[in-house]
Amino acid sequence: DADVTQTPRNRITKTGKRIMLECSQTKGHDRMYWYRQDPGLGLRLIYYSFDVKDINKGEISDGYSVSRQAQAKFSLSLESAIPNQTALYFCATSDFPGGRDGYTFGSGTRLTVV
Amino acid sequence: DAKTTQPPSMDCAEGRAANLPCNHSTISGNEYVYWYRQIHSQGPQYIIHGLKNNETNEMASLIITEDRKSSTLILPHATLRDTAVYYCIVRVGSGAGSYQLTFGKGTKLSVIP
Repeated sequence: DADVTQTPRNRITKTGKRIMLECSQTKGHDRMYWYRQDPGLGLRLIYYSFDVKDINKGEISDGYSVSRQAQAKFSLSLESAIPNQTALYFCATSDFPGGRDGYTFGSGTRLTVV
Repeated sequence: DAKTTQPPSMDCAEGRAANLPCNHSTISGNEYVYWYRQIHSQGPQYIIHGLKNNETNEMASLIITEDRKSSTLILPHATLRDTAVYYCIVRVGSGAGSYQLTFGKGTKLSVIP
């Protein structure tokens, strides 16, 4: 099994719908992150969590919310999806303060909002 | 975090060494240099990181200049599977800013048969 698992891998949804992207990890890391990638661009941080009780906004949190259900689970929600949220979404984990192996990323969720 | 500058693209012949440069002229003393790569829309993959000394692991070598204003990632024997976008990232190793990776556009490396 992958260290960081994202579900679903692909999703098409309609404008205005609520959608949740899920992430689970087996690394045992405390820190988890959600990034978004648009074509031809680097990754941008949406939300991050240092532990179950700690949630922080990243660079582009508007229109998104998150839930850290357990150390191993971090979900991202789009409350009312809009077309410009069409993107590739990545979940990542890291230990403190970054560790020898850096971040571990999931395989991504490709979201299309029509 | 300090800004990094990378060439947008590079080619390398299969079997040859790929040398990917990165400029980070405003790097601070407590900032590390990290390299990640992303193969065709997969999740980015950690390659290597360093502070001052050169580093080597099973994937690559990282050469950091003495003034730390630039670095080079070396893939010693590039294969077709090394074709990817390579990101050079500078960030602090601990403290309030240590959590965040700031990705630029990276260098698109094409390994040619």
